[in-house]
Amino acid sequence: DADVTQTPRNRITKTGKRIMLECSQTKGHDRMYWYRQDPGLGLRLIYYSFDVKDINKGEISDGYSVSRQAQAKFSLSLESAIPNQTALYFCATSGGTSGSLSYEQYFGPGTRLTVT
Amino acid sequence: RKEVEQDPGPFNVPEGATVAFNCTYSNSASQSFFWYRQDCRKEPKLLMSVYSSGNEDGRFTAQLNRASQYISLLIRDSKLSDSATYLCVVTSMDSSYKLIFGSGTRLLVRP
Repeated sequence: DADVTQTPRNRITKTGKRIMLECSQTKGHDRMYWYRQDPGLGLRLIYYSFDVKDINKGEISDGYSVSRQAQAKFSLSLESAIPNQTALYFCATSGGTSGSLSYEQYFGPGTRLTVT
Repeated sequence: RKEVEQDPGPFNVPEGATVAFNCTYSNSASQSFFWYRQDCRKEPKLLMSVYSSGNEDGRFTAQLNRASQYISLLIRDSKLSDSATYLCVVTSMDSSYKLIFGSGTRLLVRP
């Protein structure tokens, strides 16, 4: 089974709808991240969380919110979806037990979101 | 100026060729460096970390030049399966737990 899972894998929604993307991990990592990827722009950080009580905005957080329900779960919400939020969304994790200095990140398979 | 800059390519090479990618980064305080591989519409996967002394993993060699803020990836004896986009990644200025990703260099290996 995959260590980092994302649901749904694909979603088409209409402008103005609220949508939640979910991420779960079995790696035991403390740190979790949400990115979006657009053609030619690379990966951009939306939100990140270093532990259950820590939530931080990334470079493009406007229009998004997150919830860290447990060490293993980190959800991304689009409160009112707009067409320019059409993108590929990735969840990632890093670290190990608390205090780990491991910096590399491991990604889920992605959610392809289309807002019409 | 982008924090991490890469030539987007594509690099189109025959099987068996040696190909090198370069990357420059702007934050002299970055502590950790990586190469990731991303196949079309798939998630990025860690290819290798890049150490100051340089490191090799099979056909792949990564090198870091801190003075010039420059990272390289060399692929020897290219295989068709090496066709992918290669992302240069460095740790962020404000936190080593945040990564900055380059936009990637696309490699096409032809038969």
